[in-house]
Amino acid sequence: DTGVSQDPRHKITKRGQNVTFRCDPISEHNRLYWYRQTLGQGPEFLTYFQNEAQLEKSRLLSDRFSAERPKGSFSTLEIQRTEQGDSAMYLCASSVSGGPGLGPHNEQFFGPGTRLTVL
Amino acid sequence: GQQVMQIPQYQHVQEGEDFTTYCNSSTTLSNIQWYKQRPGGHPVFLIQLVKSGEVKKQKRLTFQFGEAKKNSSLHITATQTTDVGTYFCAGRPTGSGYALNFGKGTSLLVTP
Repeated sequence: DTGVSQDPRHKITKRGQNVTFRCDPISEHNRLYWYRQTLGQGPEFLTYFQNEAQLEKSRLLSDRFSAERPKGSFSTLEIQRTEQGDSAMYLCASSVSGGPGLGPHNEQFFGPGTRLTVL
Repeated sequence: GQQVMQIPQYQHVQEGEDFTTYCNSSTTLSNIQWYKQRPGGHPVFLIQLVKSGEVKKQKRLTFQFGEAKKNSSLHITATQTTDVGTYFCAGRPTGSGYALNFGKGTSLLVTP
């Protein structure tokens, strides 16, 4: 399977604990995105990487959230001191930079997500 | 802030009827993408529109980008039960960077 993979698929934690999620993008994709989705809502942008550089971070993102992509391949999203309001599906997506004629913004391939439940 | 509004929130149709969902942005968009999410699944890319007034078709699906690049629509002709899911538009405001702003989606239910 050469799609985007995420691990774990489900995580239940107690309030105040730290959690870390992993995303493995499609191998040739240099762009990686993290989103959060709650029931009845569309995905909400969290952050974006091009290769290993974090180029954009949502202003709505608490400083309890941090993401890394150290080698420009897989990425991790850590949430410190989790709160009940952090309960959501965390989606990772990847894309490839636009080449000639493709434009700068290409389709994003989403992973299956990590469902976080904070008790 | 910059938002993408999508209506209706829900639509229930009989198989064979047509369906349309509308997307409106408060700001000009450099492009707009449409995604479909099946129940329990993840968003899957359908199409991207870039040019003002652009219309693209995929079999029974017709996508349109408004002249002002602030609105878009998805029309499905003669719906089938396989069309069930939530359809999201996602726009990238002009000059805003890489963030893709998703609408809340339109959930389509098709009954045979």
